[in-house]
Amino acid sequence: GQQVQQSPASLVLQEGENAELQCNFSSTATRLQWFYQRPGGSLVSLLSNPSGTKHTGRLTSTTVTKERRGSLHISSSQITDSGTYLCAMERRGGSNYKLTFGKGTLLTVTP
Amino acid sequence: EAAVTQSPRSKVAVTGGKVTLSCHQTNNHDYMYWYRQDTGHGLRLIHYSYVADSTEKGDIPDGYKASRPSQENFSLILELASLSQTAVYFCASSRVSAETLYFGSGTRLTVL
Repeated sequence: GQQVQQSPASLVLQEGENAELQCNFSSTATRLQWFYQRPGGSLVSLLSNPSGTKHTGRLTSTTVTKERRGSLHISSSQITDSGTYLCAMERRGGSNYKLTFGKGTLLTVTP
Repeated sequence: EAAVTQSPRSKVAVTGGKVTLSCHQTNNHDYMYWYRQDTGHGLRLIHYSYVADSTEKGDIPDGYKASRPSQENFSLILELASLSQTAVYFCASSRVSAETLYFGSGTRLTVL
């Protein structure tokens, strides 16, 4: 079935360093989405990117759909960026679209 | 701001018992979803709905039913809870299919 692989599984940075998170998916996707999960559970949508590069604040998402890969770059990391970053592949399922999630990258930013 | 509210926040159930998880959204969104999250599996789609009184199966629907009595409310029903259904359950809503999902805070379900 469809799979989404995220790497690294965990990442520890010092405040101010940049983070690069990778996402690879096993089948054709219409779009990649990135979510942030706070320690303690709730999820927030960060970026939705069908192809190319998108920026929002300190986040840059790059999606290369044909090569089935994407990345999320976080510049100048802050302690409050700590949490889990989830990549989700959007695919067509009948008349609707479905998301398949990766297991996430746990980011820890230290002082 | 878009709001999705889940209840209860946590629940302990006995094996074989019935469990109902509730979700309410004030976003005026057509699409609502139920996901479960387990260590080692990430988030997986159980059921979803795009119109009241209709639900669709997701990727792992076995052992679960869903109910969408109104646009605002979406319930997940475990008729006979099993140990393997211990997980954190998330409800989400979106205006358009799979686009910009808004998640609730989650329900931690423990089946003993």
